[in-house]
Amino acid sequence: AQSVTQLGSHVSVSEGALVLLRCNYSSSVPPYLFWYVQYPNQGLQLLLKYTSAATLVKGINGFEAEFKKSETSFHLTKPSAHMSDAAEYVCAVSGAGGTSYGKLTFGQGTILTVHP
Amino acid sequence: DTAVSQTPKYLVTQMGNDKSIKCEQNLGHDTMYWYKQDSKKFLKIMFSYNNKELIINETVPNRFSPKSPDKAHLNLHINSLELGDSAVYFCASSSRLADYQETQYFGPGTRLLVL
Repeated sequence: AQSVTQLGSHVSVSEGALVLLRCNYSSSVPPYLFWYVQYPNQGLQLLLKYTSAATLVKGINGFEAEFKKSETSFHLTKPSAHMSDAAEYVCAVSGAGGTSYGKLTFGQGTILTVHP
Repeated sequence: DTAVSQTPKYLVTQMGNDKSIKCEQNLGHDTMYWYKQDSKKFLKIMFSYNNKELIINETVPNRFSPKSPDKAHLNLHINSLELGDSAVYFCASSSRLADYQETQYFGPGTRLLVL
């Protein structure tokens, strides 16, 4: 079984401020972890993914995430927010084998608002 | 040159009708998925096909029937539509053969409203 919890359904930051979006997961098998971004009325776009090759993962648009097994976390960060970062961010987990293989489980999403 | 496309983008229909949503991917992937995003914005998997074979079938009413005519297409047919079927339906695809993590790429979604 696997699950994802995103702390905070809404996060608001000022332009230029640090962005931190939290994601905690549970998985009975080694996890694959993903962050997607969803703009209004659009599909999900892959931001980055955890491959198990490196715990710090860099993605598109200046975002990065760090896999911390001891904390079962995969928080998403960006040093300096841009207005164009305003969107919904969704964390997801799938399992490296077993019945979870290929089955993405999503968090409820975090809406990021960026103020001028 | 859209990677994963869905038609229609919007669908408004009456209760009791039968409707289909189509999905096509040109990524050369071997696995396709249907997800439902409900009013609370949770995305939940419904079905997955690998090389035209059903591999994931979550607890979904049997009014929903997926069909995969080939690896590049996965259609979703819904019989006797109900109000609760109103949602956004997303199609996705991945390559089980080339990508052991099966990174999934999503279509733009089909917004279904049942009146």
